[in-house]
Amino acid sequence: SQTIHQWPATLVQPVGSPLSLECTVEGTSNPNLYWYRQAAGRGLQLLFYSIGIDQISSEVPQNLSASRPQDRQFILSSKKLLLSDSGFYLCAWSGVRGGEAFFGQGTRLTVV
Amino acid sequence: SQQGEEDPQALSIQEGENATMNCSYKTSINNLQWYRQNSGRGLVHLILIRSNEREKHSGRLRVTLDTSKKSSSLLITASRAADTASYFCATDARAGTALIFGKGTTLSVSS
Repeated sequence: SQTIHQWPATLVQPVGSPLSLECTVEGTSNPNLYWYRQAAGRGLQLLFYSIGIDQISSEVPQNLSASRPQDRQFILSSKKLLLSDSGFYLCAWSGVRGGEAFFGQGTRLTVV
Repeated sequence: SQQGEEDPQALSIQEGENATMNCSYKTSINNLQWYRQNSGRGLVHLILIRSNEREKHSGRLRVTLDTSKKSSSLLITASRAADTASYFCATDARAGTALIFGKGTTLSVSS
């Protein structure tokens, strides 16, 4: 069966420090991969969407970047965090044709 | 970009009552989906309705889709305290395109 792993669960980082959040999917190949951010009590903002290795679209301008070094690995990074980067980050995957998305448990990032 | 907008933003009901949440979107869609999120957790898929479908059922869930009005509704019948969560609709423009979420409805069911 397919599973998605996202870590860490919580992270407290100082302003200006780098960030690396990792997400891996098991049990499927060539998934569509997503990074979303959710502010407290708000909806999900799509950050990055990938349909394959080296095929990543960025939905909003920000100081974040995403990479997909392997088919089932999706990494969210920042060189220098801002206070406004605080939030709940969610990784998800869906099949090639879309449809149901499966979410990781999320990373609660607090930038201090 | 297209986006679902749910209403109401918050809904409080008693156990046993029905809960209805609505979602509106802006452009044509491939599918519309509903998800549930317990506080501080990832989202869980509830139901998917295709653009050529008008109604779908799954257990206590009933989803309707009106593409002429670009709207959908999620009905949860006989609500339970365990249904307390946030509910989101999500749409994609075409098969394989990004899934865009609305802002969600927070449902509180008291016993």
